[in-house]
Parts: sequence; C-alpha cells; structure tokens
Amino acid sequence: NAGVTQTPKFQVLKTGQSMTLQCAQDMNHEYMSWYRQDPGMGLRLIHYSVGAGITDQGEVPNGYNVSRSTTEDFPLRLLSAAPSQTSVYFCASSRDRLTEQYFGPGTRLTVT
Amino acid sequence: GQQLNQSPQSMFIQEGEDVSMNCTSSSIFNTWLWYKQDPGEGPVLLIALYKAGELTSNGRLTAQFGITRKDSFLNISASIPSDVGIYFCAGRRNNNDMRFGAGTRLTVKP
Repeated sequence: NAGVTQTPKFQVLKTGQSMTLQCAQDMNHEYMSWYRQDPGMGLRLIHYSVGAGITDQGEVPNGYNVSRSTTEDFPLRLLSAAPSQTSVYFCASSRDRLTEQYFGPGTRLTVT
Repeated sequence: GQQLNQSPQSMFIQEGEDVSMNCTSSSIFNTWLWYKQDPGEGPVLLIALYKAGELTSNGRLTAQFGITRKDSFLNISASIPSDVGIYFCAGRRNNNDMRFGAGTRLTVKP
C-alpha cells in the first residue's frame, strides 16, 4: 500500500512550456485534490475531484487543468507555465470530502 | 481568499519544554485540523476537532476547538527532537472550503 504517490519530485520548466504533474493513490479514495504551497502562505486548493469523471475548481484554479478518468489517478496540467507557478505542489486523497486527507510527498516546480 | 492567522511563525525551544501555537480567523469553521510537515514530505494529520469547545489529545499533543469556532490551539508537552517540523492549522467549512494557516516552524534544541 503506497498511499499517495507523486511524480516527478522536482521539475524545472521554461516559461510557456507545458507539463503534467502525476498523482496516484491506491486506497480507493473517492476524493482527490491538488494544493500549492508558497512561502509564508498556507496550502491553497487548486482543483479537486469527488469521484471519477467529476472535477471542480478550488481557490486558485487559473493556469491549471485537471481530469479524473479513473479513481486512482488525478493529474494536474500546466498548459503554459508562468514564473508565478513556481511552487511546491501537493496532491491529497481521502475517502470523501469530510474525512482525513492523506498527502503525497510533493513536487517542487520551478518556472524560469 | 480568507486565510487563517497562525502564530507564532517560528519557535526555538529547548528539549523538554512545552510548546503552544494557535490559529485565528474572522470566519467560523466547522472543523479544525492540525498537521505536521517534515522536510521534503507532505503534511500529516495530527488531530481533528469537530465540535466547538472540544479538547482532544494525541499522545503529547493536545488541541482545542475554540468556543467561538473562530480559533484553535495546539499544545505539545515535553518536546523532543523529533517534534521538529512545520505545524499547520486548517479550518474547514461544510461546503468543503478548507483554509490553511501559514505554519509554525518548530526547532527543538537538544
């Protein structure tokens, strides 16, 4: 049981490049979410999903897309990276939206 | 968006000392959560509080849900070196709107 896994652990992008941050969980959790963590600020919710085929926007969704084709996977896409998207990204999952969230180890993204 | 005010930002304490940190907001939350984050890892849930006034312990950790539902505190008693890390509070409303504090960075000197 690996829990929540994220790849890559580190990534450097040039402005305008696109990439996908991968997130997978093996706990059969319905609820999955993406957060970004910036210095001096708390985690902020980007997008979330309450089940396969259902996604919704969080607090800071602009510049990011998500999809949820399976229960296990919840990738986060940056279509055209900007320096303001330099951050540490965490994926989390939980049985439902009100129960304990388990966080992945994070992806540190730098956009130059 | 509404963020939580968490204090202090950082603490440097001696092993064996007690620690207290708190989180306040101008808004009401229905659930308060406390997480710990180790370097290079994601946050791990320490304590969850679901009722105003609730006091819950997890080993040497004790957290309380404020009566006004706008604040919460976390105490760590008899700190040890492995308590080092960043502690985050989070408040959740019924619509799943969850907000996090900016964190308290704890350093424990042996």
